[in-house]
Amino acid sequence: NAGVTQTPKFRILKIGQSMTLQCTQDMNHNYMYWYRQDPGMGLKLIYYSVGAGITDKGEVPNGYNVSRSTTEDFPLRLELAAPSQTSVYFCASSRDGPYGYTFGSGTRLTVV
Amino acid sequence: EDKVVQSPLSLVVHEGDTVTLNCSYEVTNFRSLLWYKQEKKAPTFLFMLTSSGIEKKSGRLSSILDKKELFSILNITATQTGDSAVYLCAVVRAGGTSYGKLTFGQGTILTVHP
Repeated sequence: NAGVTQTPKFRILKIGQSMTLQCTQDMNHNYMYWYRQDPGMGLKLIYYSVGAGITDKGEVPNGYNVSRSTTEDFPLRLELAAPSQTSVYFCASSRDGPYGYTFGSGTRLTVV
Repeated sequence: EDKVVQSPLSLVVHEGDTVTLNCSYEVTNFRSLLWYKQEKKAPTFLFMLTSSGIEKKSGRLSSILDKKELFSILNITATQTGDSAVYLCAVVRAGGTSYGKLTFGQGTILTVHP
């Protein structure tokens, strides 16, 4: 009963490097989301997906890309990392819109 | 743009105290308001409120929504040190492409001292 699994848990990147944050869910949820949480703040939506092959931008999509080739996986790609992308990233999935929301344990990313 | 504002931003109390956390919102085509508790990692779900004036209760926690005045409160009675956490409020719009997207407030940091 894994739920939503995010890897890695921690990462340090240098400015200009790229990386992919992985997110996998085993609940057969159609909806998946990526949020970021800056210190002392709530979560802000980066991208979301309502099913395989369908993605759309959230509040803060600049500097990120996503893909959804399968129901289970929703990776988040950072191109040309910047210090402003230092944050904790949460992946989430839900059964039906706001119902049954499940968050992953987060990835703490530092860009130096 | 949807807006969610929580108050206070932080609160320090002693065990046994009762606290009230506030969440006001401005959102187009409101559907639901959700409360989460966050202790150092992922948020965990507390309540979802859709109808005005109906209290949701779970143990020492309760919450109510006022759709006319656009706010919700989360009450915690007889607080314990284990209640120390960040409490997040989020709103979701009805239907369309916004369905499922949560807009969060900045959170209230609650610290309960023994």
